[in-house]
Amino acid sequence: GENVEQHPSTLSVQEGDSAVIKCTYSDSASNYFPWYKQELGKGPQLIIDIRSNVGEKKDQRIAVTLNKTAKHFSLHITETQPEDSAVYFCAGGSRYSTLTFGKGTMLLVSP
Amino acid sequence: EPEVTQTPSHQVTQMGQEVILRCVPISNHLYFYWYRQILGQKVEFLVSFYNNEISEKSEIFDDQFSVERPDGSNFTLKIRSTKLEDSAMYFCASKLGQGTPNEKLFFGSGTQLSVL
Repeated sequence: GENVEQHPSTLSVQEGDSAVIKCTYSDSASNYFPWYKQELGKGPQLIIDIRSNVGEKKDQRIAVTLNKTAKHFSLHITETQPEDSAVYFCAGGSRYSTLTFGKGTMLLVSP
Repeated sequence: EPEVTQTPSHQVTQMGQEVILRCVPISNHLYFYWYRQILGQKVEFLVSFYNNEISEKSEIFDDQFSVERPDGSNFTLKIRSTKLEDSAMYFCASKLGQGTPNEKLFFGSGTQLSVL
């Protein structure tokens, strides 16, 4: 089955800095890679996703890149704000498989 | 915006007791899931459900677990005889379909299960 590794486990940045979270996956059949943000006491919320036919996708301050050859994908948050503080999970899967999640990255943005 | 609803938000039970966690998926979604998250750990897949039957389950989902869609709106997870290690946050999730763009998985806010 799929195995998703995520790094770092914690990330502290100053407000306005950029944050990068990296994930690798093992199953070459995986072609769908969402990112979820989980705030304290809440369920994971989908913030951006990318499919394997695309190398990069942007949505305002958030971008995701995918290197299918190397089997890794990354989340980039620019101009971080305190409200970006949360746990971020990457996940991988395909049309016919369930999502496998990484272990999560706790992002702390200090004002 | 439509959302996945879970009840209760917190459930405390004694070891060996049965619990039922309830979920109302987004109304036009066809695929339903249960995940769990032990404190500080990653989200783990338990079971997926489509067309009134289990389509996939993990090793965690043993004979003590069962799922049901008793009517057109509810989706339940039953743990027959709870163990201490069942203590976790349980998330229900649903999606419209498979393939672009229906594969987006939406999560509820979870039920925190504490087994004493």
